[in-house]
Amino acid sequence: NAGVMQNPRHLVRRRGQEARLRCSPMKGHSHVYWYRQLPEEGLKFMVYLQKENIIDESGMPKERFSAEFPKEGPSILRIQQVVRGDSAAYFCASSAGTDYGYTFGSGTRLTVV
Amino acid sequence: AQTVTQSQPEMSVQEAETVTLSCTYDTSENNYYLFWYKQPPSRQMILVIRQEAYKQQNATENRFSVNFQKAAKSFSLKISDSQLGDTAMYFCAFMKPLNNNDMRFGAGTRLTVKP
Repeated sequence: NAGVMQNPRHLVRRRGQEARLRCSPMKGHSHVYWYRQLPEEGLKFMVYLQKENIIDESGMPKERFSAEFPKEGPSILRIQQVVRGDSAAYFCASSAGTDYGYTFGSGTRLTVV
Repeated sequence: AQTVTQSQPEMSVQEAETVTLSCTYDTSENNYYLFWYKQPPSRQMILVIRQEAYKQQNATENRFSVNFQKAAKSFSLKISDSQLGDTAMYFCAFMKPLNNNDMRFGAGTRLTVKP
């Protein structure tokens, strides 16, 4: 079991470009969560998805950010027209929907230049 | 909304000694879960310990134990016999196991274990 796989590990984008972050949950996990971590801060909840459904997107900025978890393939967090303030580490976590906590990926560090 | 507060941005401890990290939370729920996660320089988030609110007994995992005070909404982490490898950011987290199961984190405490 490879755990939660996130790629890329590092991503550099110029202002105005699009960033696509991928997350493959652990085998058997159907719940995916995205968190953002700014430097020297804790993790901030962004969105919670199950297969083909967004369950809670209360932490997502209303513009430029979107997330999906298709029936086949990884979950994608998309940031359009990136700005410098989007520079952060983005973590994906998955769970089986039980209450044993999450398994986190290693994160994607996005740098906007 | 649930909030999690870690009032100690940084702490240090000598190797082999004991250190306690504080966490308080605010909720109107009666049933919930609390966690401590460790984030070493590798940035990987590692689950350290988990506590169910309905259990009065404090959770323990080897050198890690918690002091869970439900009435006071306090959930501190005690690390005994500190090791250099314990140097990391430690995050307290709250999870309400209802519709969305999402987990809310505190701002973290940076722990440094000194040789």
